[in-house]
Amino acid sequence: DSGVTQTPKHLITATGQRVTLRCSPRSGDLSVYWYQQSLDQGLQFLIQYYNGEERAKGNILERFSAQQFPDLHSELNLSSLELGDSALYFCASSPGQGAGNTIYFGEGSWLTVV
Amino acid sequence: EDQVTQSPEALRLQEGESSSLNCSYTVSGLRGLFWYRQDPGKGPEFLFTLYSAGEEKEKERLKATLTKKESFLHITAPKPEDSATYLCAVRNQGNLIFGKGTKLSVKP
Repeated sequence: DSGVTQTPKHLITATGQRVTLRCSPRSGDLSVYWYQQSLDQGLQFLIQYYNGEERAKGNILERFSAQQFPDLHSELNLSSLELGDSALYFCASSPGQGAGNTIYFGEGSWLTVV
Repeated sequence: EDQVTQSPEALRLQEGESSSLNCSYTVSGLRGLFWYRQDPGKGPEFLFTLYSAGEEKEKERLKATLTKKESFLHITAPKPEDSATYLCAVRNQGNLIFGKGTKLSVKP
């Protein structure tokens, strides 16, 4: 158990819908990261927050957005869902954001878009 | 462009048959090379971080080494429970860039 908690574990929704994935980082960790993993792609970095502020953006679609709240939990919002958005979405956290900070991953949220 | 390439894509070993997994990388300013283990449907589990060429780390049957252009994950006398996908990643600024992984199968 990494200490990173993600909900829901599984989610099935229809195209065009909107979903929210939730993440609680490890106790004391200020940095939160979101990654997407699909069958044909490896782990793709989406976005990073540090202590409530956005710090880095990767290959995140405009239909996707995220935020980190004052209690440090984070949410990833996915809207106007398409079949291709079906994937495993991972949240990860680390104490800080520089070298020397190990990044720990949660168990993921399986999203299936039908 | 920062990039990580892992080989082979898949590796089948007999129990006790030692081997190595390769991770080649190009990154502007390495801030750590990470190895993770991932079981099907699970999140990546942290194994090692290496920071400088020549560094080595060990954990049970696994040993990770680092050069200026690549890292190796050596598996000594593997057991069936070592079967998993092994992921290599480099740190770029704050986040990690992952390779596609090596799927290891160890048969009894």
